[in-house]
Amino acid sequence: GENVEQHPSTLSVQEGDSAVIKCTYSDSASNYFPWYKQELGKGPQLIIDIRSNVGEKKDQRIAVTLNKTAKHFSLHITETQPEDSAVYFCAATPISSGSARQLTFGSGTQLTVLP
Amino acid sequence: NAGVTQTPKFRILKIGQSMTLQCTQDMNHNYMYWYRQDPGMGLKLIYYSVGAGITDKGEVPNGYNVSRSTTEDFPLRLELAAPSQTSVYFCASSPPRDTSYEQYFGPGTRLTVT
Repeated sequence: GENVEQHPSTLSVQEGDSAVIKCTYSDSASNYFPWYKQELGKGPQLIIDIRSNVGEKKDQRIAVTLNKTAKHFSLHITETQPEDSAVYFCAATPISSGSARQLTFGSGTQLTVLP
Repeated sequence: NAGVTQTPKFRILKIGQSMTLQCTQDMNHNYMYWYRQDPGMGLKLIYYSVGAGITDKGEVPNGYNVSRSTTEDFPLRLELAAPSQTSVYFCASSPPRDTSYEQYFGPGTRLTVT
């Protein structure tokens, strides 16, 4: 089965700086890579995702890059703000027609943005 | 839409007791999932369902059972609770569209087994 490793486990940055979180996956069949943000006491929420047919995707201050050859993908947050403080999870899964889309999650990164 | 709702929010069980964690979604999603989240760990898939009447095991199904009699409801049953089942449980749902694979999570149930 799929195995997803995520680094670092904790990350502190100054407000306005950039933050980068990295994940590696093991199953070459995986083709869908979402990132979820979990605020304290809440369920995770999707913030961005990428499919294997593209190498990069941006949404305002958030971007995700994918290197299929090396089997790793990264989350980049620019101009960090205090409200970006949360736990971030990467995930991976092979999506095909009729598949149940079971996600394998990384272990999470606690991001703290210092004012 | 209320989205995905879970009850209860908190529960303390004694070893050997049983309980059902409730999950309901009002978005007419086909796919539903149960995860557990242990401290400092990611989410592990317990069971999932691709539609009413269809369920299957995930990565960590031992000690749990599920049913899916309607599209809306996906309860998780714990039989003979053990301390190892102390965790936060999340239910999620996902639409059948090929244009979106997003999973929508409920607020979670924090379970302690003592």
